[in-house]
Amino acid sequence: GAVVSQHPSRVICKSGTSVKIECRSLDFQATTMFWYRQFPKKSLMLMATSNEGSKATYEQGVEKDKFLINHASLTLSTLTVTSAHPEDSSFYICSARADRGLYQETQYFGPGTRLLVL
Amino acid sequence: AQSVAQPEDQVNVAEGNPLTVKCTYSVSGNPYLFWYVQYPNRGLQFLLKYITGDNLVKGSYGFEAEFNKSQTSFHLKKPSALVSDSALYFCAVRAHLTGGQNFVFGPGTRLSVLP
Repeated sequence: GAVVSQHPSRVICKSGTSVKIECRSLDFQATTMFWYRQFPKKSLMLMATSNEGSKATYEQGVEKDKFLINHASLTLSTLTVTSAHPEDSSFYICSARADRGLYQETQYFGPGTRLLVL
Repeated sequence: AQSVAQPEDQVNVAEGNPLTVKCTYSVSGNPYLFWYVQYPNRGLQFLLKYITGDNLVKGSYGFEAEFNKSQTSFHLKKPSALVSDSALYFCAVRAHLTGGQNFVFGPGTRLSVLP
């Protein structure tokens, strides 16, 4: 099946620093990538949708200047949490979707990144 | 607007018994329906999907789901539960519209399979 990787799996940083999370589709080209945030024992909250080569579309209430998303290629998207604060601590999950081919229509998820801001 | 309901926060079942995790949806047009499973501190794993065709869909790990258009449901089932099936299960819907729309996820149902 389709594989999506995320790196790092876990990161601890000091308040005020920036953290970059990478999301890669390993065996298919992801036309669209999604970034979610998940709070403990809660469902996924969609933060933004990105299409390769264009600006991300952010959901209402998500600060685009704080959560920078870049979708530079069909296999890589990055989420940068700028000037992180403790309230940004969360589990961040990416997913990827192809619009054609064997893996079309289905979102495939990365393993998630646990961010802890001290 | 699209929405997904998973009416049960928690489902408990004894190992070896059949399990059902319920999902109902609301969407304009024909739905694409999905089930995902999440183990602790992990991302979501795709289990199965309904796009078109046979209403009974078979997926990974022995799971299946039945699309019922009249009841707008897509319940997840397994004939014989395993302790290792204990996890968080999410139902998701996407409308089959030109240009596509993003997934809408249900709130999740925690399944506990008791030995």
